[in-house]
Amino acid sequence: SAVISQKPSRDICQRGTSLTIQCQVDSQVTMMFWYRQQPGQSLTLIATANQGSEATYESGFVIDKFPISRPNLTFSTLTVSNMSPEDSSIYLCSVEPGGGYGYTFGSGTRLTVV
Amino acid sequence: GENVEQHPSTLSVQEGDSAVIKCTYSDSASNYFPWYKQELGKRPQLIIDIRSNVGEKKDQRIAVTLNKTAKHFSLHITETQPEDSAVYFCAALNSGNTPLVFGKGTRLSVIA
Repeated sequence: SAVISQKPSRDICQRGTSLTIQCQVDSQVTMMFWYRQQPGQSLTLIATANQGSEATYESGFVIDKFPISRPNLTFSTLTVSNMSPEDSSIYLCSVEPGGGYGYTFGSGTRLTVV
Repeated sequence: GENVEQHPSTLSVQEGDSAVIKCTYSDSASNYFPWYKQELGKRPQLIIDIRSNVGEKKDQRIAVTLNKTAKHFSLHITETQPEDSAVYFCAALNSGNTPLVFGKGTRLSVIA
């Protein structure tokens, strides 16, 4: 299965600032997915990132707030912009390694906005 | 789109007993159903999965069953141990390279 390196693992940020989260995969993958997991909750999909095209955002998430880059088949970034305390959450990237199964996750970024 | 319901939200069992978590899905085209275990502060880890052409799959103490007609699938953990305590998520999808749709999770506590 694919191995994902995600960083930073955690950060404490001031409101109004931005944080960029990176995910590096050890193999080429077509799609990368970004999720948010609020404390004690399930995983909510933010967007799907396909290399070479704009990300597809889920209802309630917009590109201005969560811009995503996907410069190649092994790397993606998610930026949380103009942060407020409501953005405090865990952010995870995920990939499907191939074959339509075995989705794996990065280790997550625990974001606290103060 | 797909909707996945998961029950119960919390489950406490005595060590050595069995635990069963159930999920239902809405999209009859869904054909892949994984289960993830998430320990506190860690990433979700895939523990078992099943495709729609199979009715049951086992891996040591864990098993998953699928009823396509009723559109539900279940996770069974036998001989539970304290290290099984975690949050378990079911998920569904209908084709590769699409995102998984998750249930809301079940917090399992195994009491020694």
